This record gives sequence, C-alpha cells and structure tokens, in this order.
Amino acid sequence: DTEVTQTPKHLVMGMTNKKSLKCEQHMGHRAMYWYKQKAKKPPELMFVYSYEKLSINESVPSRFSPECPNSSLLNLHLHALQPEDSALYLCASSGTGVSPLHFGNGTRLTVT
Amino acid sequence: GENVEQHPSTLSVQEGDSAVIKCTYSDSASNYFPWYKQELGKRPQLIIDIRSNVGEKKDQRIAVTLNKTAKHFSLHITETQPEDSAVYFCAPSSNTGKLIFGQGTTLQVKP
Repeated sequence: DTEVTQTPKHLVMGMTNKKSLKCEQHMGHRAMYWYKQKAKKPPELMFVYSYEKLSINESVPSRFSPECPNSSLLNLHLHALQPEDSALYLCASSGTGVSPLHFGNGTRLTVT
Repeated sequence: GENVEQHPSTLSVQEGDSAVIKCTYSDSASNYFPWYKQELGKRPQLIIDIRSNVGEKKDQRIAVTLNKTAKHFSLHITETQPEDSAVYFCAPSSNTGKLIFGQGTTLQVKP
C-alpha cells in the first residue's frame, strides 16, 4: 500500500560482497532521498537527488554509492560494508519545493 | 549546522488524555515544519505539517502550532487512543531540501 517501493525487504551480506538496494516511485516526484535508521534512532540523511542530480551528500563513506538512473528510480550500491552499517535503509521521495517525504518500507540490511 | 531538539524523549499518558511534544530548531531559514509518526517496524508517515506563514493547523484530534520567533513548533494530540502509541519525529526544513529529524518522542497511550 506504499507508493514508494523498495527492494529487497531484507538483505544479509558479507563484508566483501557487493549488493544494491533499489527504490522506485511513480508519483512524479523529482526529489529522492536515502536515509539510514538504526534501532531507536531517527532517520539519518545520507543522500538527496534533485532532478536526477546528486544535490546533498552528508559525508557518507564511499562504500555507499548512490545512483539515480531516471526520475523514478534510485539505487544504493554497497561494497565492502562494515557490521556497523547494519540498519534499516529508507528511501523517500517528495515533490518540488519543501513538501512531505513519502517513505518506502525500507530494506533491513545485516552485514556479517 | 542545524540543531533540532525534541522534548520529551518519552511520554506516557492515559487513554483520553492529551499529549504535547515540542520541537526546537536553530536554522532561522526553516520554513516547513512536519511531524512524522513511526509505528514499530513500519516506515515514518507524515501526520501533519505547517508552513511558516501559518501559526496553527488542526486535523481532527491532531494540531500543530508554530512560534517562528522562538523557533519552536509543537504537536498536540487530544483524546489519545492506544493506536496513537508510536515514535513521533519532527523534521523542520528550509529550501535546501535537507530534512533533519529530531531525536524522536516515544508516546505510550495506556488503555
């Protein structure tokens, strides 16, 4: 019932693996976001794309690599992650100007 | 950088009572003031928002009030129900597109 779809729902990966998280929205929103959320903490902003261009990178380590192939899709490529990167990764989108975030259900990532 | 503080961090009320959560921010350029509700194991969802040209907004049992001079805004929930139990986040933002969340308030409504 969410308008922002994230896959996979769960992901377990080793520290040497390469994986990707995917996010899709068809609301015509031109801003898309990646947030990281640890248990009992608020969502923490990682990246913002505006009109398919990276506009904000909150000093995220290079082992996280975002990509926005088109206005509906947002990916997060993962490589050489650490166990402390285990968290819920939330994708969100919003309309132009300051407007509400629409979140996906998230990907629960575990790094072993 | 921006500083966002929420109080209280936890709040326990009896069903039917009112609950108030306050959010204080530091960025004077902030012009959008939303509140999100996150139930356990679920995604955050917008419950109410207000823009800087308005002092108060109400939607049934939920209201938000804004004091731009003092740089704070508050969430008011009246006639609380058990299904209001959740974590509530404020996320004041400006035209930069950067929404930074407060630390959250865990609301427990006891039946």
